[in-house]
Amino acid sequence: EIVLTQSPGTLSLSPGERATLSCRASQSVSSSYLAWYQQKPGQAPRLLIYGASSRATGIPDRFSGSGSGTDFTLTISRLEPEDFAVYYCQQYGSSPLTFGPGTKVDIK
Amino acid sequence: QVQLVESGGGLVKPGRSLRLSCAASGFTFSDYYMSWIRQAPGKGLEWVSYISSSSSYTNYADSVKGRFTISRDNAKNSLYLQMNSLRAEDTAVYYCARDRPYYGDFPYWGQGTLVTVSS
Repeated sequence: EIVLTQSPGTLSLSPGERATLSCRASQSVSSSYLAWYQQKPGQAPRLLIYGASSRATGIPDRFSGSGSGTDFTLTISRLEPEDFAVYYCQQYGSSPLTFGPGTKVDIK
Repeated sequence: QVQLVESGGGLVKPGRSLRLSCAASGFTFSDYYMSWIRQAPGKGLEWVSYISSSSSYTNYADSVKGRFTISRDNAKNSLYLQMNSLRAEDTAVYYCARDRPYYGDFPYWGQGTLVTVSS
């Protein structure tokens, strides 16, 4: 099973700042089958990024993903008020599908 | 538009059973793999199970293998999760989710249904 570790656990930033979230895998994620989700309280997760770097439909271009192998990054170029949420990475290159523990981005 | 609506959650005693349903609309249900994903209160996401479009293939997380059974009825555009021998650690919001074709990421999720296992 591929274990995903996310850092930091919490990121405290102000609107307009840049957010950089990390996801590290215990073994290489094949074909960069790595996705990122955003979740707000009481809501289902929302797919942001798939294939490590492709934005899902309707996702603003301030969200970008990068990385390969075992190290992946989600960057939010300029935080908007609606971006404060929990972010999860997920690998789907091997079974079982696994999620990281999440990074909470909160308002400083 | 794609819509997934779960139902069937509730309070159940340890050792008992519960069956969750997910009604799908807005897409050709029989063309897609479907999954159940759960989230314990205040915790992260855990994939539970998936089923192929024709029900030929199923897969389960080790934590539920032998206790949970996923199924679907393509004629009714519905997905199911039969949960037996429930434990306190099965307490969670259960989401049904549709994958992106041929991949295992999830662009579409239901709103979730809460299952609470407690005596």
